[in-house]
Amino acid sequence: QSALTQPASVSGSPGQSITISCTGTSSDVGGYKYVSWYQQHPGKAPKLMIYDVSNRPSGVSNRFSGSKSGNTASLTISGLQAEDEADYYCSSYTTSTTLEVFGTGTKVTVL
Amino acid sequence: QVQLVQSGAEVKKPGSSVKVSCKASGGTFSSYAFSWVRQAPGQGLEWMGGIIPIFGTTNYAQKFQGRVTITADESTSTSYVELSSLRSEDTAVYYCAVSISIVVVEAATRARSMDVWGQGTTVTVSS
Repeated sequence: QSALTQPASVSGSPGQSITISCTGTSSDVGGYKYVSWYQQHPGKAPKLMIYDVSNRPSGVSNRFSGSKSGNTASLTISGLQAEDEADYYCSSYTTSTTLEVFGTGTKVTVL
Repeated sequence: QVQLVQSGAEVKKPGSSVKVSCKASGGTFSSYAFSWVRQAPGQGLEWMGGIIPIFGTTNYAQKFQGRVTITADESTSTSYVELSSLRSEDTAVYYCAVSISIVVVEAATRARSMDVWGQGTTVTVSS
C-alpha cells in the first residue's frame, strides 16, 4: 500500500486561504468516510484537526475545514495565520493489508 | 480529557527488541482504541498497528507482521508496542494515539481517528 499523495508544499500570505489535497483510490479515500487530517509542528506530536472527512474536534478553529470528492480529500485553511505553519498529514482507512494509510505530508509555509 | 505519557528514549543494538509504553490517564481506558505510529527522521508518519482493549482485538500493518506486538494492560491503563529484530531503519520516533470512538468498518472494529497523541519516544538502533 503506497502512501496517499499530497503536495510537498503549499504556501500563502496571512489572511489568505489555502487548500491541501490528498489523493488515494477507491480502496481508501474514495471508498470510506474515515479520512482524518493531522497538524504537526516541528519536534511535536501530531494533532487531530479533522475527522470523518469534514468534522472538527472540539477546540479546533473553524478556519480549518475538510471535504472529499471522489478519491481526493481536501483540507482548507482560511484566514491563514503564522501559527498554521506546520506539516499536515491526511490519513484514511484502507482495505489493503496496511489497514490505515497516511499521506506523504504537506509543509505549509506562511509567507 | 485523556492524556498519554510515553516511556523514555531507547538506544538498541541491531537484532535486539524494544518495548515502548504509553500510559493513559483520564477517561475509561478499556473503551479506547489505541494506535501506534512511527516517524523516521525527516520522514512522514507510518501506521504500525492498533489494539482495542474492550474487544481484545489487535491489527497490524502487514509490513510489521511477525515483528510487532501491541498489548494493553487495563490494570495500569497502559498500552505497549514491542518491535523485535531491530535494524537501523527502525530508528524513529514512536507515537501512541488514542481514539475515544470505535467504529465498525468491513465487519471489523477499529479506531475512528487518532484523537489524542503521546509525546513520542525516540528509538535509536545503532551498533
